[in-house]
Amino acid sequence: KAGVTQTPRYLIKTRGQQVTLSCSPISGHRSVSWYQQTPGQGLQFLFEYFSETQRNKGNFPGRFSGRQFSNSRSEMNVSTLELGDSALYLCASSGRKDRRPDTQYFGPGTRLTVL
Amino acid sequence: KNQVEQSPQSLIILEGKNCTLQCNYTVSPFSNLRWYKQDTGRGPVSLTIMTFSENTKSNGRYTATLDADTKQSSLHITASQLSDSASYICVVSSPTDSWGKFQFGAGTQVVVTP
Repeated sequence: KAGVTQTPRYLIKTRGQQVTLSCSPISGHRSVSWYQQTPGQGLQFLFEYFSETQRNKGNFPGRFSGRQFSNSRSEMNVSTLELGDSALYLCASSGRKDRRPDTQYFGPGTRLTVL
Repeated sequence: KNQVEQSPQSLIILEGKNCTLQCNYTVSPFSNLRWYKQDTGRGPVSLTIMTFSENTKSNGRYTATLDADTKQSSLHITASQLSDSASYICVVSSPTDSWGKFQFGAGTQVVVTP
């Protein structure tokens, strides 16, 4: 089975621009979560999508948004980029079906640098 | 305040030696605790998942322990190898269907030297 893929792997943008990141989950997985990882803050949850619906959202400003398509692929968008948005953005998919613990599989991440 | 605290923040060990990483949490109610390994520039990879009733779980040279009474977990690495150099992240969750309720520790950076 192919793993979680994220594109692009690296991105350089300037302040004020907007960016769209893409994530393709493992085939059959319907839950996709997005995280921001910075050296100082560690992993921080952005949002989770399940069957095209946003199921939960972290404490990030409205500049951060996402969506999920019918094939479970997901995109996240950051508008009006700020220097502090420079981070590794990780996508993770899960095949969670019930309340039993499930494993979340992470992609390699997209390294975003804002200049 | 972070509900998951990991220690030490970083450590350096010689190849072949053992080491133990700590994770203390205040998350309540508790559902399960996971340890992830993250190589530089890569996404985290799951090592172990433990529920309330499990005290220990192994994955090769990695052994995780859990004391749900004291809300402490440890990850023991046996006979370390250079490939063990990575960040190890502890993640604790409450009973919920949503990944958004998971609490992440800041991680312990492990460097294994020859």
